[in-house]
Parts: sequence; structure tokens; C-alpha cells
Amino acid sequence: DAGVIQSPRHEVTEMGQEVTLRCKPISGHNSLFWYRQTMMRGLELLIYFNNNVPIDDSGMPEDRFSAKMPNASFSTLKIQPSEPRDSAVYFCASSFYIGQWFGTGGNQPQHFGDGTRLSIL
Amino acid sequence: SQQGEEDPQALSIQEGENATMNCSYKTSINNLQWYRQNSGRGLVHLILIRSNEREKHSGRLRVTLDTSKKSSSLLITASRAADTASYFCATSNAGNNRKLIWGLGTSLAVNP
Repeated sequence: DAGVIQSPRHEVTEMGQEVTLRCKPISGHNSLFWYRQTMMRGLELLIYFNNNVPIDDSGMPEDRFSAKMPNASFSTLKIQPSEPRDSAVYFCASSFYIGQWFGTGGNQPQHFGDGTRLSIL
Repeated sequence: SQQGEEDPQALSIQEGENATMNCSYKTSINNLQWYRQNSGRGLVHLILIRSNEREKHSGRLRVTLDTSKKSSSLLITASRAADTASYFCATSNAGNNRKLIWGLGTSLAVNP
């Protein structure tokens, strides 16, 4: 089975440009997560969706960041305008949420893509 | 916000030795998960331990959980150079279990 697919793998662009990161989750998964990873701050959750609906976007740094999930097989994270401090590795992950009353409490393992390494000059 | 705190931050051992990493957390959990991240790659799930479990094994991995101390440990036995990676713990918290709370990771170097 194909894992989580992210594109592009690398993106280098100039400050002020719009950046769009793409993610295809694993088929059948109903939860999708966008993370940002830096040496200084570690792995930060930006936003997550359940059944294509944004549940918690409290981790989105500011209004320059937006995320959409138009259907179960595709999500985008957009930065407009981009700034040098946005440089990081951005990960998408998916999982299957089965509800808090079952087994492990709902949080099944997350499956990560290989990330997009974003450099804003 | 980060809840899990891995200890040590970095570990360097020789091939064949055992590696132990620890994770502490702050609130009640439903489960705790360990992940591995190889350089330049995404995180890969290793093992999940539920709050009512105390120990779990998977191949050369052994995970323990002490909910009274709010801590977990990951033991890798007979380490190999291919085990070189960063290891993260993540907790699924009671009351808000739709997302995982991540630690900052332990960087493990296994020298051949």
C-alpha cells in the first residue's frame, strides 16, 4: 500500500511568494495532521482534520497560514506571503480515529510522509 | 505544546550494546507511542502501549510504562548501526485524544 505522499519534497522560494504544500493521506484514514519541524522548536502540530473538517487550528502560527481538505484524499497547506522564519520541514500525517470510548482511547498510530523541506530566502 | 520530555537528548553507543531512552509526561494518558525518525525522513511508528499496560515487546524493542511516575522507557537490545535515528515519544491524552503530544526526541548514534 502507498504511504502518505507529500509534494514537493523540496521547495526553495523567495520571501513574499506563495507556497503550497500538498498531501495525499493513506486511503481509509479519517484524520490528517500537518506538522512543522525545526531544530529549535521540535515537532509542532499546526492543524488537524477529522473527516475532512478542521478540528483544531490553534497551532497555525498566523493568518499567513491556511489549510484545506477538500476531500478525503487530498489536503493543502498554504503560506502567503512566505517569510524566512517559515523555513522548516513540513510533515503531513494520517491516521484512523475510532472514537475515545474504544481500546486505546482513539488515537491510533500516525503515518507520516517524508516531508517537504521548505527554504524561504 | 510539548508534553513528553525524552531523556537523554543524545546517546552514543557501540553496536551490540543496549540503548535505553526515557520519556516523562505530565497529564493522564490513554496511550503512549514511540516513533523513530531517520535523517531526512518522516517519523515511523514503532510501538503503542496503553495506559493499562505495563510492558510491551516488539522484536528487539521493549517498552515499559509507569503511570504512577508518568514515565516510559524504550529499550533497544543488541543495537545495530541501522538503529541510528531520533526517537520520539508521543502521548494520547485523556480528554483530548484526537491529537498526540510530542516530546523533543532522543538522538541515538550506534557506532559500528
